[in-house]
Amino acid sequence: DVKVTQSSRYLVKRTGEKVFLECVQDMDHENMFWYRQDPGLGLRLIYFSYDVKMKEKGDIPEGYSVSREKKERFSLILESASTNQTSMYLCASSSYRGQGSNQPQHFGDGTRLSIL
Amino acid sequence: GDSVTQMEGPVTLSEEAFLTINCTYTATGYPSLFWYVQYPGEGLQLLLKATKADDKGSNKGFEATYRKETTSFHLEKGSVQVSDSAVYFCALSDLEGGGNKLTFGTGTQLKVEL
Repeated sequence: DVKVTQSSRYLVKRTGEKVFLECVQDMDHENMFWYRQDPGLGLRLIYFSYDVKMKEKGDIPEGYSVSREKKERFSLILESASTNQTSMYLCASSSYRGQGSNQPQHFGDGTRLSIL
Repeated sequence: GDSVTQMEGPVTLSEEAFLTINCTYTATGYPSLFWYVQYPGEGLQLLLKATKADDKGSNKGFEATYRKETTSFHLEKGSVQVSDSAVYFCALSDLEGGGNKLTFGTGTQLKVEL
């Protein structure tokens, strides 16, 4: 089974701190994704990556950055945390089998982040 | 751009009742369609998928048929159980993105009572 592991289930940080959320997958997937999940808004894509050292902005990248130095690891960085970034953050990965191959995404259990 | 619209929840049913969760989509091309399920305290799991018109995806007693003429992918189950209580997300893939980007609906919470 595909395993996507997020480093923390719960995290509490203070306004202005730099926050790192880590995600590791064990299936050699090319694609990795970061979402945030908020009530009534569903999942919104923050950033994604098709390959090592490669990143693309999603729908809501403002206030976030990402790092992918190794294929299995994709980090989400909150440069200066603010209270409106309190949310559930979900990491996902998928394999790439060619344009439009529609491989499903596999999700981690999420990190519930609170910014005080 | 692409979008997915789901019926609002929560949906509350008695055990063994019939379930329908409506999902409609807007897309410029011919997307693949997915249903994901999120149990309390967990991430999302793929429930079923369909990749072309008239395909039926099925898993664990759940079914959904890709209807191009009505741009719909409604989720159904003939007899729900308490263990089916979860949040259900409809999603479509972005073929033009090439990297399997997904567009999600807002989710529908299902509560099944004894």
